[in-house]
Amino acid sequence: DAGVTQSPTHLIKTRGQQVTLRCSPISGHKSVSWYQQVLGQGPQFIFQYYEKEERGRGNFPDRFSARQFPNYSSELNVNALLLGDSALYLCASSVQGATNEKLFFGSGTQLSVL
Amino acid sequence: RKEVEQDPGPFNVPEGATVAFNCTYSNSASQSFFWYRQDCRKEPKLLMSVYSSGNEDGRFTAQLNRASQYISLLIRDSKLSDSATYLCVVYSGAGSYQLTFGKGTKLSVIP
Repeated sequence: DAGVTQSPTHLIKTRGQQVTLRCSPISGHKSVSWYQQVLGQGPQFIFQYYEKEERGRGNFPDRFSARQFPNYSSELNVNALLLGDSALYLCASSVQGATNEKLFFGSGTQLSVL
Repeated sequence: RKEVEQDPGPFNVPEGATVAFNCTYSNSASQSFFWYRQDCRKEPKLLMSVYSSGNEDGRFTAQLNRASQYISLLIRDSKLSDSATYLCVVYSGAGSYQLTFGKGTKLSVIP
């Protein structure tokens, strides 16, 4: 079975632009979470979605938004990009998003903002 | 105080050594605890969950001390393949569904 897939793998944007990152969870997983990982830091929680509803949001500005589709895939959208948005964006899926569930991460999208 | 704090590292140890990582968390209501492993330029992968009674998986032993808000990971007989960054992860509960990751501790096992 395929794991969590993310696209694109790498992306270069300039300040002020908008970007959309995509994630397909493992088949049968209904929950998707998004994390931002800056070099040298641990992943930081951005959103969790379950059954197309936002169930949690981290401490990120409104420039960050996300949604989940009926097939449980998800998109993360970032508007008005800043240099500080340069990071590895990780998507993780789990069956129900329960707190004791194992998270399966995709290999991430490396975003560089110039 | 950060929510999850780990030893800054890096740890450089010879093959066969025993190494211990420590982690503290600030929210006494935290409910679930994990250790994840992240190889260079790769995604994090669950190493093990941490239970109050302590748990062991082969060469790896994890322990939780709720009173001290402290989590540990012990690796015995280190292998070259253990070289990675180890992330302490805490779920703080209260309906947030948010996992909080520590900064990570880098381990290099040297031949």
